[in-house]
Formats: sequence, C-alpha cells, structure tokens
Amino acid sequence: IAGITQAPTSQILAAGRRMTLRCTQDMRHNAMYWYRQDLGLGLRLIHYSNTAGTTGKGEVPDGYSVSRANTDDFPLTLASAVPSQTSVYFCASSNNQGTGANVLTFGAGSRLTVL
Amino acid sequence: GQNIDQPTEMTATEGAIVQINCTYQTSGFNGLFWYQQHAGEAPTFLSYNVLDGLEEKGRFSSFLSRSKGYSYLLLKELQMKDSASYLCAVRDGDYKLSFGAGTTVTVRA
Repeated sequence: IAGITQAPTSQILAAGRRMTLRCTQDMRHNAMYWYRQDLGLGLRLIHYSNTAGTTGKGEVPDGYSVSRANTDDFPLTLASAVPSQTSVYFCASSNNQGTGANVLTFGAGSRLTVL
Repeated sequence: GQNIDQPTEMTATEGAIVQINCTYQTSGFNGLFWYQQHAGEAPTFLSYNVLDGLEEKGRFSSFLSRSKGYSYLLLKELQMKDSASYLCAVRDGDYKLSFGAGTTVTVRA
C-alpha cells in the first residue's frame, strides 16, 4: 500500500539520550516534512526537504536535525532529548510540481515521551 | 511567517450545518487547505482553495477571500463521524505549509 511509514509508533526516552525517528515514503514525492503536534499549538514545522540532498529549517528547528540522502527516506534526529520535545511527530510528503494543490500526505505519527 | 486563527471548539447537532472560520496573515500566499484529523490519527486532506470563491465537495464546502485573509469550511448534514479536529493551513511561496491550532467539532445526537 503506497504511503508513508513512520517508526517507532511510540517511544519513551530518557532525557539526554539520542533518538532517530524514521520516515519512509514510496510515492516518489520530491518534498518531505517533519511536524510536531502539541495540544493547543497545532502542527508546527520542524524541518523540510524540497528534494533529495537539500534540507531547510522550519518554525521550530532547534534540537533537531534531518538528512535527505535519497528520495524515500527522511529521518529526524534528536541529538540530546529534553522533556519539551515530548510530542507527537508527523512526517509528511508532497509532490511539488509548480502550480496545483500538491497535497501533503501524512504518516501515522510517532508519539515520543521524554522523561 | 504565518499567523492563522480559528476557533478552538464548536458543538453542533447531528444533521445540522457548522461553519468553521479561519483568518490568516501571511508574507506570501500559495493556497489554503483544510484537513480533518480524528483523535489519535493523522490529518487527512479535505479541500484546497487558491482562487477566491467557493469549492464544493459533497457535504463539505470551503470558501476563500484572499483580500480579506479569510476562509471558512462548511460542513452540512452533520454526521457523528464528523466529530474531529479541522485544521486550516496556508502554504507560502516556498511550498511550506503552516497550520492553525485546529477547531475541535463535536457532533451530538
């Protein structure tokens, strides 16, 4: 089934630990995104990639890093997790082709708790 | 950046109509989206407006006025399964999508 796969689904992590959230899409979309969703704040963009080999910072990039070595994979790394990074993380992708809707498709989310 | 405002909560009766308003201020505009998100699930696409006017898709319609920085999502003939959060999102010129905090709609029998 075409779509976006995120792993892990849920994780409890001790503060100070390193953590990588994985995201893989099989739709050959050129653009990929990482959002975090917190109650009352909605979805906030962390990092994005418009095409393989390029990345950019979103609204809340501090404490996170990403890489885009190929079209399909877009991992998000927390180098040293802090409790304020407790959130639900959504990976998304879209096929940005000039004009048109270029709708974002979301993964199922990864729930991360940092203690 | 984007500033996107929508009401936090709305309650309506099954079979009724509900209108969710969204206002936005952006440094660039390249389309407005509405997403639906059920509790514990991922957002799913509902509608897209890039030109002024009304877009209708079954029981759901979305309206855009670019000059006023205003959109609404209209849900008609409400069903219990429509209980969800509805997210207004604006895309900037770099194709980055910014979201409002979402409106939780509760449909009561």
